[in-house]
Amino acid sequence: GAVVSQHPSWVICKSGTSVKIECRSLDFQATTMFWYRQFPKQSLMLMATSNEGSKATYEQGVEKDKFLINHASLTLSTLTVTSAHPEDSSFYICSARSQQGASTEAFFGQGTRLTVV
Amino acid sequence: GNSVTQMEGPVTLSEEAFLTINCTYTATGYPSLFWYVQYPGEGLQLLLKATKADDKGSNKGFEATYRKETTSFHLEKGSVQVSDSAVYFCALSDWDDKIIFGKGTRLHILP
Repeated sequence: GAVVSQHPSWVICKSGTSVKIECRSLDFQATTMFWYRQFPKQSLMLMATSNEGSKATYEQGVEKDKFLINHASLTLSTLTVTSAHPEDSSFYICSARSQQGASTEAFFGQGTRLTVV
Repeated sequence: GNSVTQMEGPVTLSEEAFLTINCTYTATGYPSLFWYVQYPGEGLQLLLKATKADDKGSNKGFEATYRKETTSFHLEKGSVQVSDSAVYFCALSDWDDKIIFGKGTRLHILP
């Protein structure tokens, strides 16, 4: 299947700093990418939908000024956690859809574990 | 709005036991249904899917049938292995392409 690469796989940062997470579709073009957050022992919560060349659409309750999403090309989307705080510590996962014919299967990155200290 | 409800875990079974993980959904349209698996230390992988009523998805010995009348998509496997230990997520995707996940069920298989 198609490959989605997410980088870094883990990061530790100091409170108040910003962290950027990259999501790349390696062998297909993804017009739409999704960003999820997974709390321990909880489900994946959709944060935002990222469309290439346009502003991201955020889910209710997600602070768009805190979680900046950029989808500059058909193979790259980035999530920047600005002024991170310990409560932002979580597992962040991106997903990209490959549209080939009638198939719209989603492929997931391996996730990024963010720890804010 | 759309939602997915799956059985709470953890589920602990002995090797070769029969597995069922229940999943029900609420949707306004005609969603596609999925089971994703997250093995320890790895990312999410699609396990199986069904795109319309009465479809049966199957992979690696796992099966799930899209039951519109009961709005269910229960995951089953006849004989589990230790290597099946993972977290399983039921999910749906509707017209807007967003994937809505259940809370996940952690499965432990004992040798």
